[in-house]
Amino acid sequence: GDSVTQTEGPVTVSESESLIINCTYSATSIAYPNLFWYVRYPGEGLQLLLKVITAGQKGSSRGFEATYNKETTSFHLQKASVQESDSAVYYCALGDRTGNTGKLIFGLGTTLQVQP
Amino acid sequence: NAGVIQTPRHKVTGKGQEATLWCEPISGHSAVFWYRQTIVQGLEFLTYFRNQAPIDDSGMPKERFSAQMPNQSHSTLKIQSTQPQDSAVYLCASSFRQGENTLYFGAGTRLSVL
Repeated sequence: GDSVTQTEGPVTVSESESLIINCTYSATSIAYPNLFWYVRYPGEGLQLLLKVITAGQKGSSRGFEATYNKETTSFHLQKASVQESDSAVYYCALGDRTGNTGKLIFGLGTTLQVQP
Repeated sequence: NAGVIQTPRHKVTGKGQEATLWCEPISGHSAVFWYRQTIVQGLEFLTYFRNQAPIDDSGMPKERFSAQMPNQSHSTLKIQSTQPQDSAVYLCASSFRQGENTLYFGAGTRLSVL
């Protein structure tokens, strides 16, 4: 079936360190997968961080990057130097470019704690 | 733009009671989605409306759950005879149009069934 697996948290890093949160997906019934990272900051609602709809492309936002790798079925989230304000819960999600494009399959989320 | 508005933020019901959750999508958005979030299952898609018409309810439990969108400014999710396993955060999201992948989520309604 279709599924998303991501790094189990919590992940704790110190400010200015690099970060990678792993995400792999299985898209057996989705012909044209789209990949997303959503984020929930403390006290706020879930919001889109970045998305990539074409395999091989990279998305970026707020210093975060993720590359859609069709060969390894991965969409890892990376940042070279994290800040305390990046502390949040990050969700990797899989969608379909066709059909119901709002029907996303989410990973369980990764809590990131950045220490000052 | 106030974003997607969900009310109430918290709802506590007794087992067997009815719960109605409300969602006001972003003005001008034609697609509305309901999701449910639990610790064990994570975020799960429930149902989807486009231009107020129900399009996909493949994630809705077959019994006790129903959703409506009587006008373009609000949608409701109703749970009849609530059970403890219905306890979750229910999230509403909207998007500008079909084919637009970006979902804008509300803050959610935390339902607790005692």
